Amino acid sequence: GIQVEQSPPDLILQEGANSTLRCNFSDSVNNLQWFHQNPWGQLINLFYIPSGTKQNGRLSATTVATERYSLLYISSSQTTDSGVYFCAGGVRRGYQKVTFGTGTKLQVIP
Amino acid sequence: DGGITQSPKYLFRKEGQNVTLSCEQNLNHDAMYWYRQDPGQGLRLIYYSQIVNDFQKGDIAEGYSVSREKKESFPLTVTSAQKNPTAFYLCASSTRAGTEAFFGQGTRLTVV
Repeated sequence: GIQVEQSPPDLILQEGANSTLRCNFSDSVNNLQWFHQNPWGQLINLFYIPSGTKQNGRLSATTVATERYSLLYISSSQTTDSGVYFCAGGVRRGYQKVTFGTGTKLQVIP
Repeated sequence: DGGITQSPKYLFRKEGQNVTLSCEQNLNHDAMYWYRQDPGQGLRLIYYSQIVNDFQKGDIAEGYSVSREKKESFPLTVTSAQKNPTAFYLCASSTRAGTEAFFGQGTRLTVV
């Protein structure tokens, strides 16, 4: 299967700061998602973004499929942004399988 | 409300017992998935199903079994053969394989 690397593994931000999280894939993916896992374990869908750029409020994401990476931008961070951010991608080899990265743990301090 | 329901939220079992985790969706999705998450780790795929009466092993299927008799339901059985069953289990579904997946709230299984 594909390998998914996320960076940085840990990030501490002052409230109001901006940040960029990165996700690299070992193979071209035909679907890609970003999730935020809250302290209770719930995975919240942020973006479904196999290619291109999308924005939702203070968050935006860009996927460059040909170069096998995706970026998640968080602007004007808030304490509620704290948690773990995962990217996940899949390739279609007969059956579709999705692989998760190991996550970026973000802590936003007041 | 449409969504994915996992039950129970917390589950305690004695070592050597089989246990079944429930996952139900009313989103009319064809594909369903089970993942396992250990503390501080990412999610690993246990089993997935692209359509009713069909399922495939994921990366860590040993010690687990599933069934997909109905489109809405994809129960996971953790058998006594699973050596380290204590973990957080997440169920997901998508319209079809390869499209946006949505997750349930998870079941925390503790084996004592």
